[in-house]
Amino acid sequence: DQQVKQNSPSLSVQEGRISILNCDYTNSMFDYFLWYKKYPAEGPTFLISISSIKDKNEDGRFTVFLNKSAKHLSLHIVPSQPGDSAVYFCAASGNAGNMLTFGGGTRLMVKP
Amino acid sequence: GAGVSQSPSNKVTEKGKDVELRCDPISGHTALYWYRQSLGQGLEFLIYFQGNSAPDKSGLPSDRFSAERTGGSVSTLTIQRTQQEDSAVYLCASSPAYTYGDGYTFGSGTRLTVV
Repeated sequence: DQQVKQNSPSLSVQEGRISILNCDYTNSMFDYFLWYKKYPAEGPTFLISISSIKDKNEDGRFTVFLNKSAKHLSLHIVPSQPGDSAVYFCAASGNAGNMLTFGGGTRLMVKP
Repeated sequence: GAGVSQSPSNKVTEKGKDVELRCDPISGHTALYWYRQSLGQGLEFLIYFQGNSAPDKSGLPSDRFSAERTGGSVSTLTIQRTQQEDSAVYLCASSPAYTYGDGYTFGSGTRLTVV
């Protein structure tokens, strides 16, 4: 039973446009959400996070939106750049120090 | 070291053989996690060590899998009698105590291929 789902395995976007990556979760005990970015042959790196007490967190070109009632979060990248091409993983945690539950990932391709 | 180090980076083994994968976490990080990523899949939690507490082994897929962490530092993931479905990238991460995940630092992984 997948508790964190990323229903789009891939997304292609033109450089300069907005990229929107989506994530759904089922466990209402999750209260902290993160996005990780992964390049080939490298480990995932932390990108941005959001606590359940917020509905938006912004860091430069990256914004994460959380809709608790819908159990849905999204990552917006604007403007998208070719260097953003990577696999993006959504993750969720129930409490500090506990393991993260990851989604299946979305491969983003930003075309020049 | 500056980051999480995993060895070997690649391992090809014959079905039925045992393998050991090593993880050197960031010095001072008390939490250590093992995940694996099978082809086309997400990151699957395997096991979690936090300080001197008993590890959370709830993600280990079978009793062929085991892990230990010696001296609160280096960890070894052992897979006995490997099967083809064990083929995956095995990722190790470490973090300071009690973090909400933004403190996770992942290694580059060990790509295991069972032939």
